[in-house]
Amino acid sequence: AQSVTQPDIHITVSEGASLELRCNYSYGATPYLFWYVQSPGQGLQLLLKYFSGDTLVQGIKGFEAEFKRSQSSFNLRKPSVHWSDAAEYFCAVGARYGGATNKLIFGTGTLLAVQP
Amino acid sequence: GAVVSQHPSWVICKSGTSVKIECRSLDFQATTMFWYRQFPKQSLMLMATSNEGSKATYEQGVEKDKFLINHASLTLSTLTVTSAHPEDSSFYICSARDPRGAGDNQPQHFGDGTRLSIL
Repeated sequence: AQSVTQPDIHITVSEGASLELRCNYSYGATPYLFWYVQSPGQGLQLLLKYFSGDTLVQGIKGFEAEFKRSQSSFNLRKPSVHWSDAAEYFCAVGARYGGATNKLIFGTGTLLAVQP
Repeated sequence: GAVVSQHPSWVICKSGTSVKIECRSLDFQATTMFWYRQFPKQSLMLMATSNEGSKATYEQGVEKDKFLINHASLTLSTLTVTSAHPEDSSFYICSARDPRGAGDNQPQHFGDGTRLSIL
């Protein structure tokens, strides 16, 4: 069965410090992988996605993620965190269906706090 | 700007009433939309896949008669929580698959969610 694990429920980093959020997935084939960010009381914004090709993908707001098949991981990174990055981050795996992303399975999320 | 609009953003109602939530794709036609439920401090759980012009596909454990989904047009899907009770209180989020991308590049755009509180 497909699943996504985000081991860190809550992370606090200092502004300007680097960030890495962990994500591990379980999927029977090559997955579609996503990172979303959610601000309090709002919907989800797509940060980046991996479908195929280069395993290091660049996203919005200075985020990047690296797909490592051998480790079943898709960790999110940012070299220098800004206070506005404080939010909840969700990793998701998408089931392929008919050539399009269909059902998304989400991890439990990582809440990021940024200290001044 | 937002490409998926969800309305209302917040609703409070009495137990036993029915509540309708709308999800609109603003600048594309969405044959497929999704409805998620999110409990406090938890992840999103897919409730159902809404298909334009046909019946919705519900996930295991989701009551079809409780959560009615209608996708009557290419830009609108509605979720109606029937005879709502306090345990139905939650944050409901819709998404719409954007068909404008080629091949696999058809991302889901999310609405801002609806916070439902049943008294």
